[in-house]
Amino acid sequence: DADVTQTPRNRITKTGKRIMLECSQTKGHDRMYWYRQDPGLGLRLIYYSFDVKDINKGEISDGYSVSRQAQAKFSLSLESAIPNQTALYFCATSDRTSGSDYEQFFGPGTRLTVL
Amino acid sequence: GQSLEQPSEVTAVEGAIVQINCTYQTSGFYGLSWYQQHDGGAPTFLSYNALDGLEETGRFSSFLSRSDSYGYLLLQELQMKDSASYFCAAPEGYGQNFVFGPGTRLSALP
Repeated sequence: DADVTQTPRNRITKTGKRIMLECSQTKGHDRMYWYRQDPGLGLRLIYYSFDVKDINKGEISDGYSVSRQAQAKFSLSLESAIPNQTALYFCATSDRTSGSDYEQFFGPGTRLTVL
Repeated sequence: GQSLEQPSEVTAVEGAIVQINCTYQTSGFYGLSWYQQHDGGAPTFLSYNALDGLEETGRFSSFLSRSDSYGYLLLQELQMKDSASYFCAAPEGYGQNFVFGPGTRLSALP
């Protein structure tokens, strides 16, 4: 079984719709991240959470919100989707408590298309 | 904040040794990570350098020079399966989130 899972894997929606992307992990890691990937732009950080009560904005948080429902779950919402939010979205985890938080573990990604 | 630069593309033939460079500008420096991403896949961790010098993991090695704000990933005996994008990443601060470089697309030719 995958350690970091994302649902859905693919989603097509229309402008103005509210969308939620979900991420779950069984690794027991304290830190979770949401990234967006666009061709040629690498991975850009949207939000990150160092524990359930610690949520921080990343480089490109405008138009997005998150919820850390439990240590194992971190959801990303697009309140009113727009076409330039069409991208590949990755969830990732890392383990600060082991001292190896330089290694992030990524989910399989969600391909989102906003029409 | 952090700013990382990488070449956009590198091409080499099978069996070659390939070096992918990463330069960074930081307000503080706490290490450099490398990730591999195949088309359609998720990034996977390759290596991390906290200190100057070379770290070796099989055919992959990573080097860091803090004084030059520079690091590189070295792939030996290039194989077709190494064709992928490679990203360097550095933390914003001690124990903080990582910033990723734009990625280098490596193409291995037969």
